[in-house]
Amino acid sequence: QQQVKQSPQSLIVQKGGISIINCAYENTAFDYFPWYQQFPGKGPALLIAIRPDVSEKKEGRFTISFNKSAKQFSLHIMDSQPGDSATYFCAASRGETSGSRLTFGEGTQLTVNP
Amino acid sequence: NAGVTQTPKFRVLKTGQSMTLLCAQDMNHEYMYWYRQDPGMGLRLIHYSVGEGTTAKGEVPDGYNVSRLKKQNFLLGLESAAPSQTSVYFCASSLWTGAYEQYFGPGTRLTVT
Repeated sequence: QQQVKQSPQSLIVQKGGISIINCAYENTAFDYFPWYQQFPGKGPALLIAIRPDVSEKKEGRFTISFNKSAKQFSLHIMDSQPGDSATYFCAASRGETSGSRLTFGEGTQLTVNP
Repeated sequence: NAGVTQTPKFRVLKTGQSMTLLCAQDMNHEYMYWYRQDPGMGLRLIHYSVGEGTTAKGEVPDGYNVSRLKKQNFLLGLESAAPSQTSVYFCASSLWTGAYEQYFGPGTRLTVT
């Protein structure tokens, strides 16, 4: 049972465009929503994260939008660059009482064409 | 500071063989995790540990065992490998003080024939 659903599975964007990846979750006990970035042959690395008490968080060209009532959150990459080409995973966690375990979405393979 | 390291990087096993994957971290993290990554399925948690001497089952624990005898090491064992265990395995670690960021190792690509 996939508790975090991610879409699209793959995304192709032109350089300078906006990349948008969406995730939906089911468990209202989740209290931490990170996005991880993974380059080929590497392990995932934390990109940006948000907690449900805020609706938006921005770090450089990367923004998380969070809609608690809809149980959805999304990653926006502004001015997308070829170096952003990677696989992106959304995730959710229920906190330390559950060992800070992360439940991951299926992943989105982003390709930014020059 | 090497972060999280995994040994080996690649391995090919025959069905029924056993092996152990080693994960080591030098960040003094309390929590450690083993995931498997399969195409279109994201990362799925196999087992995890919230401290030395403790382990717990994750989402897909069947066919795997783990041990955390030392705080810095987390071992993943396959007693009798099956083709369904062909995957890329990632180890991760994190602090326990509410900082949920997990630091991942470079992965082990395992093929079971």
